[in-house]
Amino acid sequence: RKEVEQDPGPFNVPEGATVAFNCTYSNSASQSFFWYRQDCRKEPKLLMSVYSSGNEDGRFTAQLNRASQYISLLIRDSKLSDSATYLCVVNHADSSYKLIFGSGTRLLVRP
Amino acid sequence: GAGVSQTPSNKVTEKGKYVELRCDPISGHTALYWYRQSLGQGPEFLIYFQGTGAADDSGLPNDRFFAVRPEGSVSTLKIQRTERGDSAVYLCASSWDSSLNTEAFFGQGTRLTVV
Repeated sequence: RKEVEQDPGPFNVPEGATVAFNCTYSNSASQSFFWYRQDCRKEPKLLMSVYSSGNEDGRFTAQLNRASQYISLLIRDSKLSDSATYLCVVNHADSSYKLIFGSGTRLLVRP
Repeated sequence: GAGVSQTPSNKVTEKGKYVELRCDPISGHTALYWYRQSLGQGPEFLIYFQGTGAADDSGLPNDRFFAVRPEGSVSTLKIQRTERGDSAVYLCASSWDSSLNTEAFFGQGTRLTVV
């Protein structure tokens, strides 16, 4: 079983739609959680950190459920520019500097 | 300011050859990481430097892979006797330190193709 699992998609949604991605992680001792965004043939970039209380940044909302070992990302009012791959990332439980990436969920926003 | 810089951006080499990939981190960042990303996968951890020393090289796949960071800034990933399976994008990242929730900034990667 992979340490971080995501639905690969693609999610194909119209502009203005709300879309949600989920991610599960296997190690309950992980302490840091992130969503990274990666455009085609580009490097990953931090989208947002994920906190236990949940956090929001504009149209993006991230939630963490430690009991279920589940992380989510909600994107409201999708824009064409949101088309990218979204990577769920957790830190390694024993080596906090080591980031464990999911395989990513691909989002396509169509006009 | 400048981000993480990696050179070359693309490298094509023949099976069995030796290659070096260079990473220039953001100035002042003490932590440096190498990851490898294959098509359709997320980046996989290779090695972590804190300052000049390799604090964790547990992700290096075998002894053909080696990395250095002699002055605590620029790092070089070295691959000996390359194999076709080494073909991937090699990503370097740096961060201010390695504490929890510190953002890691990635370079654009070196796309290595072994033919």
